[in-house]
Amino acid sequence: GENVEQHPSTLSVQEGDSAVIKCTYSDSASNYFPWYKQELGKGPQLIIDIRSNVGEKKDQRIAVTLNKTAKHFSLHITETQPEDSAVYFCAAYNPSGTYKYIFGTGTRLKVLA
Amino acid sequence: EAGVAQSPRYKIIEKRQSVAFWCNPISGHATLYWYQQILGQGPKLLIQFQNNGVVDDSQLPKDRFSAERLKGVDSTLKIQPAKLEDSAVYLCASSPVGRNTGELFFGEGSRLTVL
Repeated sequence: GENVEQHPSTLSVQEGDSAVIKCTYSDSASNYFPWYKQELGKGPQLIIDIRSNVGEKKDQRIAVTLNKTAKHFSLHITETQPEDSAVYFCAAYNPSGTYKYIFGTGTRLKVLA
Repeated sequence: EAGVAQSPRYKIIEKRQSVAFWCNPISGHATLYWYQQILGQGPKLLIQFQNNGVVDDSQLPKDRFSAERLKGVDSTLKIQPAKLEDSAVYLCASSPVGRNTGELFFGEGSRLTVL
């Protein structure tokens, strides 16, 4: 079936450094790619998203890039802060597929002060 | 604007017992989702409703799981009888009607432990 692979599963960075999380999707009909942040004991919350007609999107310290040909998309966090520590999930959405949203397996990001 | 409400937050039961989780989506959101999130994994869709109709329940283990959304607003997910492997966080999410793609708004989840 369709899936989304996410790497790495854990990532530790020093405060102020950058963090990059990568996802690969298999369903070529996917056209929407959100990123969610999940803090301990809470539900996932959207932090940024990108649609298939755009290659890059930025919002302050976070950015997402999409390579539709390679079916890759990545989350970039610059100038990381301790409050960025959380689990991050990517997802791929196919509006016509059986499974609407397919989530990646998550990346636990730890920002060391 | 109130968020997605879920209850209970935590539940511990013995295997073969039953449990029910409740979700109240954001007001006006016609689409409601139940996801299962096993520790260390991403959310997996169990069932999706549009108003009070089921859009997708292909991954719902129907021999033990059931869900309903009778009036197109709040929803209940039931497990009967529970198995050890049902230990997980059950997340409810909602999204507005008419949007082909868009943000999912998640509740804080109901954590189930089956002993």
